Amino acid sequence: DTAVSQTPKYLVTQMGNDKSIKCEQNLGHDTMYWYKQDSKKFLKIMFSYNNKELIINETVPNRFSPKSPDKAHLNLHINSLELGDSAVYFCASSQGDNSGNTIYFGEGSWLTVV
Amino acid sequence: AQSVTQLDSQVPVFEEAPVELRCNYSSSVSVYLFWYVQYPNQGLQLLLKYLSGSTLVKGINGFEAEFNKSQTSFHLRKPSVHISDTAEYFCAVSDRHSGGYQKVTFGIGTKLQVIP
Repeated sequence: DTAVSQTPKYLVTQMGNDKSIKCEQNLGHDTMYWYKQDSKKFLKIMFSYNNKELIINETVPNRFSPKSPDKAHLNLHINSLELGDSAVYFCASSQGDNSGNTIYFGEGSWLTVV
Repeated sequence: AQSVTQLDSQVPVFEEAPVELRCNYSSSVSVYLFWYVQYPNQGLQLLLKYLSGSTLVKGINGFEAEFNKSQTSFHLRKPSVHISDTAEYFCAVSDRHSGGYQKVTFGIGTKLQVIP
């Protein structure tokens, strides 16, 4: 029973297309995240939502738009895809208070833009 | 602002040998510290974390780490590695006083390569 699940796992698409990645967690957490991991394995936070409210929005292009319909789901929509968007995108979740909570990651979505 | 430095991008080590993966952090306030592991083609999972109390923290798979406040370090150790420990290891830090929500900063990762 997967705790944080994201789909699709692999996505190959052409430049200029629009695509979405979906994420769901069944841990009862109230905070969800999107991270981007580049080819050098560097992991950078993009967004964080707490109870459907955006709380962290790092310097991410406007082409990236997260949407949280409820606290168990956080989807990522990307418009006008560029070559540099190729990366692995990880969804994650944790309890929302700042007490050193563990972050639980999904298995990643491998996005390749050609 | 908080930051994490992992001094070694790759660490090759023979099977059954000990290993230490180094991590230093920078923060103007008290922090929580974490080590996560990423096996090939998988997401990250928690190895161990330091919240408070004893500075020696034990985690899963025989790993441990020691919090050293004076040296701002949180090095990860294992006395005897197995082939299955081959993975990417990420040190991470979060500020204890970040306004009610958690913001974790990850290091660039250290690839542990266990050689048979």
